[in-house]
Parts: sequence; C-alpha cells; structure tokens
Amino acid sequence: NAGVTQTPKFRVLKTGQSMTLLCAQDMNHEYMYWYRQDPGMGLRLIHYSVGEGTTAKGEVPDGYNVSRLKKQNFLLGLESAAPSQTSVYFCASSPTGIMTDTQYFGPGTRLTVL
Amino acid sequence: AQSVTQLDSQVPVFEEAPVELRCNYSSSVSVYLFWYVQYPNQGLQLLLKYLSGSTLVKGINGFEAEFNKSQTSFHLRKPSVHISDTAEYFCAVSVPGNTPLVFGKGTRLSVIA
Repeated sequence: NAGVTQTPKFRVLKTGQSMTLLCAQDMNHEYMYWYRQDPGMGLRLIHYSVGEGTTAKGEVPDGYNVSRLKKQNFLLGLESAAPSQTSVYFCASSPTGIMTDTQYFGPGTRLTVL
Repeated sequence: AQSVTQLDSQVPVFEEAPVELRCNYSSSVSVYLFWYVQYPNQGLQLLLKYLSGSTLVKGINGFEAEFNKSQTSFHLRKPSVHISDTAEYFCAVSVPGNTPLVFGKGTRLSVIA
C-alpha cells in the first residue's frame, strides 16, 4: 500500500515549456486534490476532483489544467509554464466526504520555472 | 466564505517546554476544524480534527486542541515538546456545503535543544 505517490519529485522548466505532474493513489479514494505551497502562503487549492471524470476549480486555477480519467490518477498540467508557477506541488486524496474526511498527502513535487 | 488565521508564523521553544500554536477562524456557520503537520521535505499528515462532540480533541504524538466556539479558535497544545516536533503546522477549516478545506498559512515550530 503506497498511499499517494507523485511523479516527478523535482523538475526544472524554462518559461513557456509544458509539463504534466502525475498523482496516483491506491486507496480507492473518490476525492483528489492538487495544491501549491509557497513560502508564507500556506497551501492553496488549484483544482480538485470528486470522482472519476469530474474536476472543479479551486482557489488558484489559472494557468493549470487537470484530468481524472481513471479513479486512481489525477494529472496536473501546465501548458505554458511561467516563473510564478515555481512552487512545491502537493497532491492529496480523501475517501468520500469532502468536508470531514482526512486528506492523505503525497510527498510533493518541487518545480522551478526559469 | 470561511478563512483561517494562524497568528504566529514562527514559534521557537526549548525542548520539554509547553507550546501553544494559535488558530482562529471566521465563519457564520458550523465548522469542522483540522490540524495537519508537515515534517521537513514531506507531505502533510493529519494531527487531529474536530467534527462534533467534546471540544477537547486529542491527536497523535501527544498533541491536543480545544475548540472554542465563542472565541472562534482552535488552538493546538502540547505540554512538553521534543526535538522531533520541529515541523510546520497547518490549521484548516471546512463548512457544510461540500466545499474543500481552507488552510491557514502555517506556523513553523522550532524546538531548541
């Protein structure tokens, strides 16, 4: 039982390049989330999903797209990376209830955009 | 909309001393409250949560928090900290209505030997 895994762990991009971050969970959770963490800003929700094939915008969705084609995977895409997207990205999942459930976090992806 | 304020961005404390990390929230309706901990270079993990019932909630690693509705607070406490408690601590709130958690900006606890 690996829990929540994220690929890659580190990445350096040039401005304008694109990339996809992969999140996978093996706990059969319905809900999945993408956050970004910046110094002094805490965690801010980018997008989330309440089930396979569904996605919704969070607090800071601009510049990102997501897809949840399979229940266990949640992909975060950057179509044209900008330096402002330099951050640590965390994926999380929760079993069912979005309000009361514990969220289980992955180890994070550190992204630098030059 | 709900929000969370963590009043201290950094808290240094000596080993074996008590600590309190403060969290206030703003919401006009009932809330659910959480504390998460992030150890260096790791993801977050749940310390404890308040959903209903007793206002004193006990969590892992000897931490506890008290929900105070009149003061809209959910402060985290530990009577005696260890070096291994050095981490960043996040308070979070959610309200009925199927909206995601809102996290505070975090408090960095540094335990000094």
